[in-house]
Amino acid sequence: EADIYQTPRYLVIGTGKKITLECSQTMGHDKMYWYQQDPGMELHLIHYSYGVNSTEKGDLSSESTVSRIRTEHFPLTLESARPSHTSQYLCASSDPGTGFRETQYFGPGTRLLVL
Amino acid sequence: KNQVEQSPQSLIILEGKNCTLQCNYTVSPFSNLRWYKQDTGRGPVSLTIMTFSENTKSNGRYTATLDADTKQSSLHITASQLSDSASYICVVSAGTASKLTFGTGTRLQVTL
Repeated sequence: EADIYQTPRYLVIGTGKKITLECSQTMGHDKMYWYQQDPGMELHLIHYSYGVNSTEKGDLSSESTVSRIRTEHFPLTLESARPSHTSQYLCASSDPGTGFRETQYFGPGTRLLVL
Repeated sequence: KNQVEQSPQSLIILEGKNCTLQCNYTVSPFSNLRWYKQDTGRGPVSLTIMTFSENTKSNGRYTATLDADTKQSSLHITASQLSDSASYICVVSAGTASKLTFGTGTRLQVTL
């Protein structure tokens, strides 16, 4: 079991609200990621970070933003939630020092429902 | 464009039976291939990882194979258990191991 945590696990919120999804890992991994996954669909990378003060947008366009002030913490923020943001959000981390065997470890996910 | 295709899309088998899941990929340059298990409402958990020089890897009742020439992989599950019910996702790394291409998964249901 990977030491990566996400809160909240479930969130129901009204349109227009600002929300922050928390992700933290205790493995000391430099790399962290946020994915979005709709039911029965593949994961899509929306943000990633290679270390403190490093953030990049992923392959899937997203209205969310991220920050990486501490190695262990990678929160995702939606300034104004919309029903189209309803999805599961998965956080992951990996250790680049493992070379070709680098593996991403996933958190349990946050299921977001925007009404 | 890098792609990972999995088949079947879904599968129902009786407890105790074996099954094989397929993965075809067009990802370049190839770095490694992983199989993940994702329980409903949870994050994926890594089962196996294979680099270009490995053609088989086992993890308990799970055995993955890789044919880098035909760009195919399979995941064989032996003596299935109810707890094997989940989605199984094939994930291929291109270049740096951080750039992943995900398949849509095979949804496996094991029944009594």
